[in-house]
Amino acid sequence: DGGITQSPKYLFRKEGQNVTLSCEQNLNHDAMYWYRQDPGQGLRLIYYSQIVNDFQKGDIAEGYSVSREKKESFPLTVTSAQKNPTAFYLCASSTSRDRSAEKLFFGSGTQLSVL
Amino acid sequence: GDSVTQMEGPVTLSEEAFLTINCTYTATGYPSLFWYVQYPGEGLQLLLKATKADDKGSNKGFEATYRKETTSFHLEKGSVQVSDSAVYFCALQGGSARQLTFGSGTQLTVLP
Repeated sequence: DGGITQSPKYLFRKEGQNVTLSCEQNLNHDAMYWYRQDPGQGLRLIYYSQIVNDFQKGDIAEGYSVSREKKESFPLTVTSAQKNPTAFYLCASSTSRDRSAEKLFFGSGTQLSVL
Repeated sequence: GDSVTQMEGPVTLSEEAFLTINCTYTATGYPSLFWYVQYPGEGLQLLLKATKADDKGSNKGFEATYRKETTSFHLEKGSVQVSDSAVYFCALQGGSARQLTFGSGTQLTVLP
């Protein structure tokens, strides 16, 4: 079955540590996105990529980094510079480069917590 | 900038009750409007959409009408089921950058 796979489901980070969240899709989608979800708040865009080897900052990119070396994969690294990393992270992909919301497919998310 | 305001939750209803989750928005131009649903432990799924004024989106018994005069897109269902328990997000997409803006989400719990 085609879809988006995020791993791990739960992740714990120690102070000063970088951690990487995985996002893989086998939908042959060009565009991929990372969102952060905090309790009582809507989703906020961290980074997005519309094509391999290219990505752009979203609204809250500080303290995060990404890479897009393969069409299928868009890993997110939460660096030690991100002072409040505890959140639920959602990856999404889309066929459409114009980011039409109805074409977004979401993964099941990774809950990141700080020890 | 664009914004979406949803009624605060959590909302708890008995099975077969009528559901309304309010959503109002602020945007320039003519945005498209969406409702997403997030079941426990899962990502968001598109529930319904409306792309222009007076459009009614519907799916799985849920409905929402794009009201430009009141800048609203309230979600309704006539008879909720336990399986409808989830978090519901209102969202809009508009502007030249096609920015997607989400509301804060409303937790719905339906009791048998």
